[in-house]
Amino acid sequence: EIVMTQSPATLSVSPGERATLSCRASQSVSSNLAWYQQRPGQAPRLLIYGASTRATGIPARFSGSGSGTEFTLTISSLQSEDFAVYYCQQYNSWGLYTFGQGTKLEIK
Amino acid sequence: EVQLVESGGGLVQPGGSLRLSCSASGFALSSASMHWVRQAPGKGLEYVSTISSDGFGTHYADSVKGRFTISKDNSKNMLYFQMSSLRPEDTAVYYCVRSSYWFDYWGQGTLVTVSS
Repeated sequence: EIVMTQSPATLSVSPGERATLSCRASQSVSSNLAWYQQRPGQAPRLLIYGASTRATGIPARFSGSGSGTEFTLTISSLQSEDFAVYYCQQYNSWGLYTFGQGTKLEIK
Repeated sequence: EVQLVESGGGLVQPGGSLRLSCSASGFALSSASMHWVRQAPGKGLEYVSTISSDGFGTHYADSVKGRFTISKDNSKNMLYFQMSSLRPEDTAVYYCVRSSYWFDYWGQGTLVTVSS
């Protein structure tokens, strides 16, 4: 099983500042990496797929990078609605999907 | 517009059974792999099960293998999840999810509580 490790567990950032979230895979997943946002009481929402492609309707302040085992989600200028929990997920092999444990982005 | 609506959750005793349903609209279930993902209270996301677009391929996480069964009826555009021998650690919100390869559409989830 591919283990996904996210860091940090909690990130405190002020509105308008940049946030950088990390995700590491225990073995290469190529670019088969997605990021999801989950606001309290809501279902997760797809933000990024293919490590760097924004999903439909996702603002340009969200960007993803990386390949292989190291990935980054960057939010360039935090808005109030961006404070949420973020998960990475690898989908390198059909049926063998795994999520990271999540990073909680909180207001500083 | 793609929509996924889960139903069938509730309170069940340990060892009991429950069947979840997911009604899909806005796309044909026969065209997509479908999944169940769960989230225990206050915890992260856990991948649970997958069924292929044609319904012939399935996969389960080790935590539910042999106890849960995923199925679908393409003619009704319905996804199902039969859960048996339920344990307290199965308590979670269960999400129905569509994928291309990544998980692009999620339902709102249905809560399953396993407790005596």
